[in-house]
Amino acid sequence: DQQVKQNSPSLSVQEGRISILNCDYTNSMFDYFLWYKKYPAEGPTFLISISSIKDKNEDGRFTVFLNKSAKHLSLHIVPSQPGDSAVYFCVNNNDMRFGAGTRLTVKP
Amino acid sequence: GAVVSQHPSWVICKSGTSVKIECRSLDFQATTMFWYRQFPKQSLMLMATSNEGSKATYEQGVEKDKFLINHASLTLSTLTVTSAHPEDSSFYICSATNTGGNEKLFFGSGTQLSVL
Repeated sequence: DQQVKQNSPSLSVQEGRISILNCDYTNSMFDYFLWYKKYPAEGPTFLISISSIKDKNEDGRFTVFLNKSAKHLSLHIVPSQPGDSAVYFCVNNNDMRFGAGTRLTVKP
Repeated sequence: GAVVSQHPSWVICKSGTSVKIECRSLDFQATTMFWYRQFPKQSLMLMATSNEGSKATYEQGVEKDKFLINHASLTLSTLTVTSAHPEDSSFYICSATNTGGNEKLFFGSGTQLSVL
């Protein structure tokens, strides 16, 4: 049973605009949710995390929001840059299983 | 920042041979390491979780006799694909968590295995 779901397989945005990547989860037992970015034929790189006791974490252009009542989190990237084009994954650090990911394309 | 080194980055082998992939944590002690595989255009699939000094825990459907995992020290885990076949061709990635309670998972750069 997939406990982390990223229902949008792809997202395309214009450079400078906001990118919003969504993640839904079923297991409420977690300490952190982690967001990773992945390019083809490379290992994922850590972007940002959010603790279960917070509802928002911001780091530069990246902000993650957590809505525990809805079991939903989202990653906001603003302004989006072409170099942000990659596949993004959210991961429950108590589970370590990846969702399907969302492929973000930022057009110049 | 924490670094995980994975070698080799790519390997081509003949069907029936065994291939060993190494995963090293360079600047931290990794009590737990994870092995994933990724097929083209698919997500990462967790294969197994290994804890230093104990047997690995394999995910359902992953053959433990096919994919041998050794985690003999706090800085090294190995994955051996035994008697490799073309269907084992995939991108294998290791990751590690440190012992300091950090929530992050650090990934190696991956190994592309091609079995002829």
